[in-house]
Amino acid sequence: DAGVIQSPRHEVTEMGQEVTLRCKPISGHDYLFWYRQTMMRGLELLIYFNNNVPIDDSGMPEDRFSAKMPNASFSTLKIQPSEPRDSAVYFCASSFDSNQPQHFGDGTRLSIL
Amino acid sequence: GNSVTQMEGPVTLSEEAFLTINCTYTATGYPSLFWYVQYPGEGLQLLLKATKADDKGSNKGFEATYRKETTSFHLEKGSVQVSDSAVYFCALYGGSQGNLIFGKGTKLSVKP
Repeated sequence: DAGVIQSPRHEVTEMGQEVTLRCKPISGHDYLFWYRQTMMRGLELLIYFNNNVPIDDSGMPEDRFSAKMPNASFSTLKIQPSEPRDSAVYFCASSFDSNQPQHFGDGTRLSIL
Repeated sequence: GNSVTQMEGPVTLSEEAFLTINCTYTATGYPSLFWYVQYPGEGLQLLLKATKADDKGSNKGFEATYRKETTSFHLEKGSVQVSDSAVYFCALYGGSQGNLIFGKGTKLSVKP
């Protein structure tokens, strides 16, 4: 079975550039989650979707961050403009139901110079 | 609100030592509880889970028992291996909040 697929695995870009992270959830999973992980703050939930609809975006740090899920098999997390403090590993996860285990992708390691 | 507290790391053990990573939670009702493991350079993977009081989750030699009276879900393994070196996260299902609430993670290093 294909797991959660994220791309790119690594991204290095300069401050001010737009960054787009992509995620393909496991087929049949109705929930999709975006997390950010840093040494200082640990694992933070940014936003999650149910059936392509955003349910809770209270973790999105600023208006520079936006997330979309145009269909059941694809989601994007966009940062525009990017800043050095956005450097982190961003994970996407999906689950069959909200109280079922989440399956994580391998993450995107983002470095903003 | 719901929350999870787990012991600070890092934890360094010798191979074949006994492992305990403490996890306590605050929640209303009877949330499902989980342990996830993150190996270097990878995403989190479900290690084990328990859905009701006194349930014991187990996998790969790891165990955790859902203790409602002490609101705890401590992770244990009788004999750790070098390959168990990873970061371990305790989590609970937030119920009406619809998402998992994670602890800050505990880094385990096992030396040969």
